[in-house]
Amino acid sequence: AQSVTQLDSHVSVSEGTPVLLRCNYSSSYSPSLFWYVQHPNKGLQLLLKYTSAATLVKGINGFEAEFKKSETSFHLTKPSAHMSDAAEYFCVVSDGTGTASKLTFGTGTRLQVTL
Amino acid sequence: NAGVTQTPKFQVLKTGQSMTLQCAQDMNHEYMSWYRQDPGMGLRLIHYSVGAGITDQGEVPNGYNVSRSTTEDFPLRLLSAAPSQTSVYFCASRRGRQGMTYEQYFGPGTRLTVT
Repeated sequence: AQSVTQLDSHVSVSEGTPVLLRCNYSSSYSPSLFWYVQHPNKGLQLLLKYTSAATLVKGINGFEAEFKKSETSFHLTKPSAHMSDAAEYFCVVSDGTGTASKLTFGTGTRLQVTL
Repeated sequence: NAGVTQTPKFQVLKTGQSMTLQCAQDMNHEYMSWYRQDPGMGLRLIHYSVGAGITDQGEVPNGYNVSRSTTEDFPLRLLSAAPSQTSVYFCASRRGRQGMTYEQYFGPGTRLTVT
């Protein structure tokens, strides 16, 4: 069985300050991990993914995440927040590879960016 | 490529009515799935398909049916709508090959209200 815990349901930062969205996972397999972003009334868009290559993963729009096996974490960071980053972010774990692998979603973290 | 398309965007049903949510993808993806998104619960898997003619249940399948007669289409049927099925529904697709982890592409969603 696998699970994902997003440690904060809501994070508020000022524009220009760093962003940290926290995610812990549990998996019986060597996991693949993803971060998706959802802007209001939109579908989900992939930010980045980890698939057992480099542990520091760079994504779109300046986001990156570091896979830490010893801490079972995959936190999402960005050095400087922009107003357009305001959205909901989902951490996702995959239970394997191939056609039948299933994704398990965290409950989401809503990022608010203030002036 | 249009990607993953869903119709309708919005729907209001009365309790007991039935309807079909349409989903299509033009990327020749093997894997397609349906999720529902409810506040504070992330996305939960309803049904999925690993190829034409093959479907299986996800985490919350009760009250929903699916079929996959072609690679492109994966409709979701609500048999007898209930207020508990008020939600936002997302269709998704991805490639599926053993040993590989692929990005999942999401449609824009269907917002369903059951009164």
